[in-house]
Amino acid sequence: DVKVTQSSRYLVKRTGEKVFLECVQDMDHENMFWYRQDPGLGLRLIYFSYDVKMKEKGDIPEGYSVSREKKERFSLILESASTNQTSMYLCASSLAGDAGELFFGEGSRLTVL
Amino acid sequence: EDKVVQSPLSLVVHEGDTVTLNCSYEVTNFRSLLWYKQEKKAPTFLFMLTSSGIEKKSGRLSSILDKKELSSILNITATQTGDSAIYLCAVWIQGGSEKLVFGKGTKLTVNP
Repeated sequence: DVKVTQSSRYLVKRTGEKVFLECVQDMDHENMFWYRQDPGLGLRLIYFSYDVKMKEKGDIPEGYSVSREKKERFSLILESASTNQTSMYLCASSLAGDAGELFFGEGSRLTVL
Repeated sequence: EDKVVQSPLSLVVHEGDTVTLNCSYEVTNFRSLLWYKQEKKAPTFLFMLTSSGIEKKSGRLSSILDKKELSSILNITATQTGDSAIYLCAVWIQGGSEKLVFGKGTKLTVNP
């Protein structure tokens, strides 16, 4: 069964802390994506990657960075967490040339106090 | 700016009703339109529509794309409580950086 795993399901952090959200997929997918989901705003793309060490900004990259050192792993980093980054973070992956059919992880709910 | 708009944003029906969810889009380089269902956790893929006028069907769910009207509908017949979810519409943008742009979703609640 195909799987996208987000290691932290629930996190509570303080303002100013550095936060790492990890995502691992076992489908050998080339594409990986980070979205955040907020009530009334839907899913918004933060960053995506089409290959190892490659990254591209999505629609709301400010305050975030990413790392893709291995094909199966895509990390989202909040250098200095702020309260407006409290959200549900969803990782997804897809095959190269098939950005349409995404496989999502179960999400990481981050609360920044 | 690429835009995907879903309506209604929320809907409450009774079991057995038929519902129609709407999605319209304004994007630069359209490739396909997709529907996802999100229950408590991860969105799961329902349909991908690329050609106008061809209905895709899966059980009680069906969807069709109208490229002239830049829209799509998702129909659910004989709704069940298990259909309660957020239904997400997304458009696959083709270009140098291919990506999905999502609408805000329609929250469907099916009451027994």
